[in-house]
Amino acid sequence: DARVTQTPRHKVTEMGQEVTMRCQPILGHNTVFWYRQTMMQGLELLAYFRNRAPLDDSGMPKDRFSAEMPDATLATLKIQPSEPRDSAVYFCASGSQTTDTQYFGPGTRLTVL
Amino acid sequence: GENVEQHPSTLSVQEGDSAVIKCTYSDSASNYFPWYKQELGKRPQLIIDIRSNVGEKKDQRIAVTLNKTAKHFSLHITETQPEDSAVYFCAAYTGGFKTIFGAGTRLFVKA
Repeated sequence: DARVTQTPRHKVTEMGQEVTMRCQPILGHNTVFWYRQTMMQGLELLAYFRNRAPLDDSGMPKDRFSAEMPDATLATLKIQPSEPRDSAVYFCASGSQTTDTQYFGPGTRLTVL
Repeated sequence: GENVEQHPSTLSVQEGDSAVIKCTYSDSASNYFPWYKQELGKRPQLIIDIRSNVGEKKDQRIAVTLNKTAKHFSLHITETQPEDSAVYFCAAYTGGFKTIFGAGTRLFVKA
């Protein structure tokens, strides 16, 4: 049963520190999404990639967030410098053009003190 | 811009009763509508989906209906059980592989 994986599952850091979150999409999926989930905002789309190329990152604060796909098996989301308001659960999801369905990873719970 | 509205935000039902969650979307080009269930501390998981060329789809106790003219779709859960308690998200695929999610409905099923 193929699944999206994310690391780390939990991260506690201090304000100003760099945070890197990683995602391994399901093998063969060519689209990757990053979402942020908070109690107040629900599921907020930050960025998405198709065939490793960024298609839309308009939901991402560009001054501190960056998303990349160095290869087809790895997507990264970086926050530098982190702030307390970045505390949330960050989900990665992957999908295939043939199905339109997105499959979510387990999430990274980020706490910025 | 594209928008998906979901109602109600919270729903409490007695075990065995039915639950209905409704969503409306703004982009008439949307053609794929998945529903996700998220249990506390877990990932959202797809439970059912429907495409724009279909009006209704069922899977055991779960059904989804779509009214393209009115641009709304609904999730129906019959014979609810305590394990159905979760947050449910509707979504609309707006093209270019961008999916817009509703704000979620927190369902409580009381035993």
